[in-house]
Amino acid sequence: EIVLTQSPGTLSLSPGERATLSCRASQSVSASYLAWYQKKPGQAPRLLIYGASGRATGIPDRFSGSGSGTDFTLTISRLEPEDFAVYYCQQHASSVTFGGGTKVEIK
Amino acid sequence: QVQLVQSGAEVKKPGASVKVSCTTSGYTFTAYYLEWVRQVPGQGPEWMGSINTFSGDTKYAEKFQGRVTLTRDASINTAYMELSRLRSDDTAVYYCARRYQLMSAWLFDCWGQGTLVIVSS
Repeated sequence: EIVLTQSPGTLSLSPGERATLSCRASQSVSASYLAWYQKKPGQAPRLLIYGASGRATGIPDRFSGSGSGTDFTLTISRLEPEDFAVYYCQQHASSVTFGGGTKVEIK
Repeated sequence: QVQLVQSGAEVKKPGASVKVSCTTSGYTFTAYYLEWVRQVPGQGPEWMGSINTFSGDTKYAEKFQGRVTLTRDASINTAYMELSRLRSDDTAVYYCARRYQLMSAWLFDCWGQGTLVIVSS
């Protein structure tokens, strides 16, 4: 099973700041098979990024993804109030697994 | 618009089974796989399995093999997830999600609202 490790566990930032979230895979994952989701309490996950860098429909361009191999990054260029949430990476190269999440909280 | 609507919350005793439904609208049911994902409070999401809504073929996560059964009734655009031999650590919110395939990428692009299943004696 491919284990996805996300860091940091919690990111405390202010609106307008830049957020950089990391996702490390226990073995190499094709970029095509890496996605990012946003999760807010009481809501279903929301797809943000697919194929490591493709933005899903309706996702603002302040969200971007990058990476390859075992290291992937989600960047939020300028945090808006609605961006404070938990973010998960997901791979489907081998079965489907999710990371443990990074909580982006208001500082 | 695309919608996935799940059945309501359930409270079950250990050892029992639960069956959650996911009724879709706004798209051709048999054109997309449906995935099932659960989230235990405080943990990351966990994939349980997927169903080819056209053929009925299924694939299950190893962890749930033998305990989970995915089915569908294409005549009413509905998929089902049944989990048996429930334990307290199966207490979670269960989601269905549509899988949209874009070249080799899988996009879980639309999700149900979630169904809370509580397992308690």
